[in-house]
Amino acid sequence: QQQVKQSPQSLIVQKGGISIINCAYENTAFDYFPWYQQFPGKGPALLIAIRPDVSEKKEGRFTISFNKSAKQFSLHIMDSQPGDSATYFCAASSYKAAGNKLTFGGGTRVLVKP
Amino acid sequence: EAQVTQNPRYLITVTGKKLTVTCSQNMNHEYMSWYRQDPGLGLRQIYYSMNVEVTDKGDVPEGYKVSRKEKRNFPLILESPSPNQTSLYFCASSLSAGSRSGYTFGSGTRLTVV
Repeated sequence: QQQVKQSPQSLIVQKGGISIINCAYENTAFDYFPWYQQFPGKGPALLIAIRPDVSEKKEGRFTISFNKSAKQFSLHIMDSQPGDSATYFCAASSYKAAGNKLTFGGGTRVLVKP
Repeated sequence: EAQVTQNPRYLITVTGKKLTVTCSQNMNHEYMSWYRQDPGLGLRQIYYSMNVEVTDKGDVPEGYKVSRKEKRNFPLILESPSPNQTSLYFCASSLSAGSRSGYTFGSGTRLTVV
């Protein structure tokens, strides 16, 4: 049973468009929600993260929106570029969780067409 | 350069033949972890280590062993590999167990068990 559910599994967007990836979680103890970006042949790398006390965080073209009551959060990639083509993983963790475990979503493969 | 180094990058082996995947980090991180990545399932934690000589099971530890004799190294051992352990493996490290500065991942080891 996945504690963090991510959708869609893949998406194709035109250059300049908006990519939106959604995640839903069940564990209300989660208090940290990062997004990781993974290029082919590489390990995931931290992209942006949010805590549940804010509803939105923006870093450049990347924005996380967080809805605590719905237990959902999403990543928006504005003005998508071909260089953004990668697999994106949402994740969640809790200070209460043993070993600082990050629980990952299933991943979304994003393809930005020129 | 701060990094996590995994070896080998690719490995094909036969069922039952013991193997070790090495992981080394040069950032003096206390916390290290192993994940496996499978399509649609995201990354799932296998084992983690809070510090030297301190290791514990993650979500999918069956069939794996680890050790942490030195701070920089965290090898993953498959005593008797089976085909269901065919996967993409990642080692990760972070400053501490509760760190919110993100994980640094290695580039991955693609393992095929035939």
